[in-house]
Amino acid sequence: ESVLTQSPGTLSLSPGERATLSCRASQSVRSDFLAWYQQKPGQAPRLLLYHTSHRATDIPDRFSGSGSGTDFTLTISRLEPEDFAVYYCQQYGSSPLFGQGTRLEIK
Amino acid sequence: QVQLVQSGAEVKEPGASVKVSCTTSGYIFTTHDINWVRQATGQGLEWMGWMNPNTGKTGYAQKFQGRVTITGNTSISTVYMELRSLRSEDTAVYYCARPYFHGSGSYGFWGQGTLVTVSS
Repeated sequence: ESVLTQSPGTLSLSPGERATLSCRASQSVRSDFLAWYQQKPGQAPRLLLYHTSHRATDIPDRFSGSGSGTDFTLTISRLEPEDFAVYYCQQYGSSPLFGQGTRLEIK
Repeated sequence: QVQLVQSGAEVKEPGASVKVSCTTSGYIFTTHDINWVRQATGQGLEWMGWMNPNTGKTGYAQKFQGRVTITGNTSISTVYMELRSLRSEDTAVYYCARPYFHGSGSYGFWGQGTLVTVSS
């Protein structure tokens, strides 16, 4: 069974800085079926990116995704105050799977 | 606009069952799968299973096989998730989620979540 491992577990940065979040799969992700979500306390997750790099509706272009195979990255080019949250990657297909999350906190 | 509205919080004793509903609107109910994802307090997201409202076909995560059943009622555009033999570890917020577009496995639309507490 595949496992998604996100790193780091917690990332401490300041507004205006660049954030780089990693998601590594134990098996190759088919057809780049990889998504990223943002979750704030008390809220449902919000889809940011699908198919590795395609932004969902109304997602700012400071969010970008890259990667293939087993290594994927979510980059936030310049952090805004509202970006501090928990981020999850998800592999989809026959057996969807989430990573354990990266907490992005204000330094 | 697409909306998924879930039933309210539940408190159940160990060994009991819970059935959570997810009522959809804003799109044709039979054109998109509905998935269920849960999240224990302070923990990550865990996929439980899915249902195709058009065919009634379902699929479940191995962890929940035999303990979960997902059903639907097309007349009221509602999907249900029943979890049986509850234990304390099942205490979590349960979400229904719809794919972002037909055939996508990414979830663009989510219910508000239903807290299920298992306690004696």
